[in-house]
Amino acid sequence: ILNVEQSPQSLHVQEGDSTNFTCSFPSSNFYALHWYRWETAKSPEALFVMTLNGDEKKKGRISATLNTKEGYSYLYIKGSQPEDSATYLCAFWNYGQNFVFGPGTRLSVLP
Amino acid sequence: DAGITQSPRYKITETGRQVTLMCHQTWSHSYMFWYRQDLGHGLRLIYYSAAADITDKGEVPDGYVVSRSKTENFPLTLESATRSQTSVYFCASRGTANTEAFFGQGTRLTVV
Repeated sequence: ILNVEQSPQSLHVQEGDSTNFTCSFPSSNFYALHWYRWETAKSPEALFVMTLNGDEKKKGRISATLNTKEGYSYLYIKGSQPEDSATYLCAFWNYGQNFVFGPGTRLSVLP
Repeated sequence: DAGITQSPRYKITETGRQVTLMCHQTWSHSYMFWYRQDLGHGLRLIYYSAAADITDKGEVPDGYVVSRSKTENFPLTLESATRSQTSVYFCASRGTANTEAFFGQGTRLTVV
């Protein structure tokens, strides 16, 4: 069973604050790392798919970095807004074809 | 309609009954997955399939059976439902490892 960890488990920030969270995954047999945004009562939606060590992706105020050698990825949100409140999931894909999600980081942005 | 759909959206069943959750995608994606959502565990992989007639176990396969006779369908069967299988079930599909996965709307299953 692959061990994909995320930290923190949850956090509360004020509107306008910038924040970041971490996804840790096995560094061997790496193929891809995905980030998803999951709002309550909805289905997860993809933010980024990252495959190369050193990859940096950006979508609006959200960005992500990837370090496959040490097995971690960071997700950054700049100037958090209440609509950013959601659970952020990372998912690890390896050559064994497992696609395993971390437990998620629940973000609450207070107005 | 294009996309990935699950049915039913809600299901209540009794302990010991067999129940099948359906998942259908219209993109001809190779990979399909079944997850269950549980408090404190996020999404846990039950089974996945890399192509038609190819399936494999995930993290929590016990008590579940899958099949994939056609690329577009990936039904999940609970052979003899137990209360511990009460959960929200999500089906997902994707093309290749470096493309995003798309999720169905989820099926809320309650076993009484």
